[in-house]
Amino acid sequence: SYVLTQAPSMSVAPGQTARFTCGGDNIGRKIVHWYQQMPGQAPVLVVDGENDRPSEIPERFSPSKSGNTATLTITRVEAGDEADYYCQVWDSSTDHVVFGGGTKLTVL
Amino acid sequence: QVQLQESGPGLVKPSETLSLTCSVSGGSLSNYYWSWIRQPAGKGLEWIGRVFSSGRTTYNPSLKSRVTLSVDMSKNQFSLKLTSVSAADTAVYYCARTRTGYSYYFDYWGQGTLVPVSS
Repeated sequence: SYVLTQAPSMSVAPGQTARFTCGGDNIGRKIVHWYQQMPGQAPVLVVDGENDRPSEIPERFSPSKSGNTATLTITRVEAGDEADYYCQVWDSSTDHVVFGGGTKLTVL
Repeated sequence: QVQLQESGPGLVKPSETLSLTCSVSGGSLSNYYWSWIRQPAGKGLEWIGRVFSSGRTTYNPSLKSRVTLSVDMSKNQFSLKLTSVSAADTAVYYCARTRTGYSYYFDYWGQGTLVPVSS
């Protein structure tokens, strides 16, 4: 089955840039979606494709891909960005949805 | 604004069947896929499966033998049944609207419901 690999945690100071990576075989050929999950809450979609954000998500959130890695970048990090971030793809070969293990962002 | 709300028993005994319902308001089930996703405490998200408004289903292979998803268009609800549960099935269960195109992803989520499996 398809596997997405994320670092378990990351720490960033306010105002700095956070980069969340998501590794997977041939991920460059897949559409990667990203979710933010605040403590005790349901996940929220922050990137719904190659470069699409729901209207309520600020431009500080942007996706990219290079090789076997997809990245979610958050610029000018704020305390309110502290959350878990998950990547997700659809594996067309099996018609199944796969999530990465998630990365916990701590804002110092 | 589409809203989803999970409902079901607060506790399930081992070997029994877990049953949850997701009520959708602010929109119709028609022409959409609807999914269930779960999250054990302190762990990541696991996709359980999806059901189209027509009733067509696709399941996570790791759970396929125990899962049944269904829709009730008259009530604007969809449901999850998971049989022969064990402590490993203890999790927060989320329902979510599923968007399609060149991929599948989840744009609206319920708040989630914790289902402990314990005797």
